[in-house]
Amino acid sequence: DGGITQSPKYLFRKEGQNVTLSCEQNLNHDAMYWYRQDPGQGLRLIYYSQIVNDFQKGDIAEGYSVSREKKESFPLTVTSAQKNPTAFYLCASSPRGAPPTQYFGPGTRLLVL
Amino acid sequence: DQQVKQNSPSLSVQEGRISILNCDYTNSMFDYFLWYKKYPAEGPTFLISISSIKDKNEDGRFTVFLNKSAKHLSLHIVPSQPGDSAVYFCAASRNAGNNRKLIWGLGTSLAVNP
Repeated sequence: DGGITQSPKYLFRKEGQNVTLSCEQNLNHDAMYWYRQDPGQGLRLIYYSQIVNDFQKGDIAEGYSVSREKKESFPLTVTSAQKNPTAFYLCASSPRGAPPTQYFGPGTRLLVL
Repeated sequence: DQQVKQNSPSLSVQEGRISILNCDYTNSMFDYFLWYKKYPAEGPTFLISISSIKDKNEDGRFTVFLNKSAKHLSLHIVPSQPGDSAVYFCAASRNAGNNRKLIWGLGTSLAVNP
């Protein structure tokens, strides 16, 4: 059963703590993306990766870090430098070519204690 | 600077009637436009896309129309069903080599009333 999985569904962070959100896909897609959605807002791009071992900053990369060591995996770390981390985080992947359709995981809600 | 705009935050229609969701864009270099549907606390689901070289694409109850001269596209849902109640996002893409990003609108919340 192909798809994108994100874990955990809910995550709690204490002040000053780094947390890592998992994103895995078995669709053999080259590109992967991380978005953040705040209540009543659209999707804002945090980081994206078009190929293994390469990634680019999106519009709101400050306070976040990523790695892309394997094609299937694109974990996102929310660092203590991110002052307002409470949000709904969405991971997506897309194959090469057109149309540039992105397929999304179920999301992770991060809450600060 | 919002390159993709969905000017109606919400829309309410009766079951069985047509829902029309609108989207405007500013960048004439966009070559693909996509519509997504999103339920609360879930990831967006791809609905339908259209290439900039076409003016219409249809898939079942969903049709997207593109008016390039007006930089406007619309998603028509006919007939509307209560299960269509969700937030609908318009997104656009520009082919910049291998760097394919989607530029997103802020969404329109559709309520289909029984």
